[in-house]
Amino acid sequence: QSALTQPASVSGSPGQSITISCTGTSSDVGGYNYVSWYQQHPGKAPKLMIYEVSNRPSGVSNRFSGSKSGNTASLTISGLQAEDEADYYCSSYTGSTTTAYVFGTGTNVTVL
Amino acid sequence: EVQLVESGGGLVQPGGSLRLSCTASGFTFSNYWMYWVRQVPGKGLVWVSRINGDGTNTNVADSVKGRFTISRDNAKNTLYLQMNSLRVEDTAVYYCTRELELPGGFDYWGQGTLVAVSS
Repeated sequence: QSALTQPASVSGSPGQSITISCTGTSSDVGGYNYVSWYQQHPGKAPKLMIYEVSNRPSGVSNRFSGSKSGNTASLTISGLQAEDEADYYCSSYTGSTTTAYVFGTGTNVTVL
Repeated sequence: EVQLVESGGGLVQPGGSLRLSCTASGFTFSNYWMYWVRQVPGKGLVWVSRINGDGTNTNVADSVKGRFTISRDNAKNTLYLQMNSLRVEDTAVYYCTRELELPGGFDYWGQGTLVAVSS
């Protein structure tokens, strides 16, 4: 199972909105509503931002939203803030016993 | 408060062994699938292994099959990863993480422990 495809980098100015795409296949993203998104600051553990495509855990800002269409999921960050500068990874459940989850290639978000 | 604390990482020669531990607190450990995920510094996340709540169902990635074994001790609230026949390409930060009650993702992560395989 190959990694999900994300753009290497996305940037935006404070207050703007950005969208990160995550493209997989019908065996992962397209096959299950079990896409999640993680934020990772340098030297830190990943933090869950979105689960089951569009649900936000308690405590995560409503500036973060998720969606999915076919084999592509998306994470949108609205009202971009300096603290949003980080790496973002998507992930999808696959139903396979040898690759239970596949992660995305990662996107570095820069706040200009 | 949910906490996951890994330990056991370090420098090891190729062909050597290490056992990672992850001590959990703040939740009913036996109710959750637990996972190991690794990350080569500067690279992406990769699923390594998983185990169900009572330890009867385990899976490992093809890249570590036959070399890594996952286990848990629910009485000690501890997850383990026994790593044998280590290779240079196993060098990574290893995270233990808890899966949501549905397979929707991972809601809590440990701080990670670095495993460096080098001669």
